[in-house]
Amino acid sequence: DQQVKQNSPSLSVQEGRISILNCDYTNSMFDYFLWYKKYPAEGPTFLISISSIKDKNEDGRFTVFLNKSAKHLSLHIVPSQPGDSAVYFCADISGSARQLTFGSGTQLTVLP
Amino acid sequence: EAGVTQFPSHSVIEKGQTVTLRCDPISGHDNLYWYRRVMGKEIKFLLHFVKESKQDESGMPNNRFLAERTGGTYSTLKVQPAELEDSGVYFCASSQDGRQETQYFGPGTRLLVL
Repeated sequence: DQQVKQNSPSLSVQEGRISILNCDYTNSMFDYFLWYKKYPAEGPTFLISISSIKDKNEDGRFTVFLNKSAKHLSLHIVPSQPGDSAVYFCADISGSARQLTFGSGTQLTVLP
Repeated sequence: EAGVTQFPSHSVIEKGQTVTLRCDPISGHDNLYWYRRVMGKEIKFLLHFVKESKQDESGMPNNRFLAERTGGTYSTLKVQPAELEDSGVYFCASSQDGRQETQYFGPGTRLLVL
């Protein structure tokens, strides 16, 4: 079974600087990793994904990097904005149901 | 286009009572998922419907939980009888067939069992 770990429960950065959110996984067999963003009292919102055949995917200010040898992925946000303050979850999609296996989340706070 | 909606937004019940949560997916989405987040931990998969059929309910914690999806539209998740450890946020998500990597989540139902 896949395990997805986000070892940093929180991260604070200054507005305009880069935010780097990290995620480790255990099972090399996967199709996609996804990042979701969650504001208080709302459900998670899909942000960006990366397939197992790529090592980078970029969408505007958001870039996800995949290091398969280290079983590690990271989300870079640059430049960070106060509106980016939220909990960020990485998730693997797997199983016959294509269910998401989430990490525990990282609370990002972007300071103005 | 309306997103995934869930009702109620909050529910406070006593141990031993019954609670029914409802999810209305995005129109046209055949896939419907239930997830749960307990005590601020990971969001965990409960079960998956394709239309009205349960495809995978491997994440359901025990037989006190019953999910249905009548006619392949909205879904309900009933907890009977509720226990203290059932407290948490219950999320519903839906996706189009063939686009299952992009699941759209509802705002969740916050359940507190006292």
